[in-house]
Amino acid sequence: SSELTQDPAVSVALGQTVRITCQGDSLRSYYATWYQQKPGQAPVVVIYNKDNRPSGIPDRFSGSSSGNTASLIITGAQAEDEADYYCNSRDSTGNHVVFGGGTKLTVL
Amino acid sequence: EVQLVESGGDLVQPGGSLRLSCAASGFIFSNYWMDWVRQAPGKGLVWVSRINSDGSSTIYADSVKDRFAISRDNAKNTLYLQMNSLRAEDTAIYYCVRDVGDFDDYWGQGTLVTVSS
Repeated sequence: SSELTQDPAVSVALGQTVRITCQGDSLRSYYATWYQQKPGQAPVVVIYNKDNRPSGIPDRFSGSSSGNTASLIITGAQAEDEADYYCNSRDSTGNHVVFGGGTKLTVL
Repeated sequence: EVQLVESGGDLVQPGGSLRLSCAASGFIFSNYWMDWVRQAPGKGLVWVSRINSDGSSTIYADSVKDRFAISRDNAKNTLYLQMNSLRAEDTAIYYCVRDVGDFDDYWGQGTLVTVSS
């Protein structure tokens, strides 16, 4: 079982704001990274080190963290944001990498 | 342009072996740690293994420890994953990933391993 917990599915109306969360004890010590994966494609980093965006990622994507919970926020969701989103970080020992179970985002 | 191209995926019987390769280009391969991450059909991402930049240190997920071996040839800019004693639950797409410490910044397109009789 994953040490990072995500809601399996979330939906958002087009143009609205959505928060996708990731919970785990290790997040008190390590930053979360967020990946977007569209069907048939490899994952792409959208947020790293809690709240940093790689070049080319729209600024509607942001990240935050508090206690044992990391969040990916999409402000003004677009149809092309419909995808699976995964968080990852280190496990509680700091030695292994762990992924959350993933959240399927539907844009209505 | 950073490129990671996996190869070696195939259909293999339970108990069999397979070696995956990942050809890296567009960056100084020997400067980076590398990971393997897998994804079973219709399932989530699972980290498999990590190797440091010179190949002297490796670490594995518990589910593959003692069965899989990660290695690299920095002269050939290639990452490997030797998989032994394969099980049905090892069926997945295997991704080669560049590790920049806090996260994985570049992913290959993956290679499919199917373990079935």
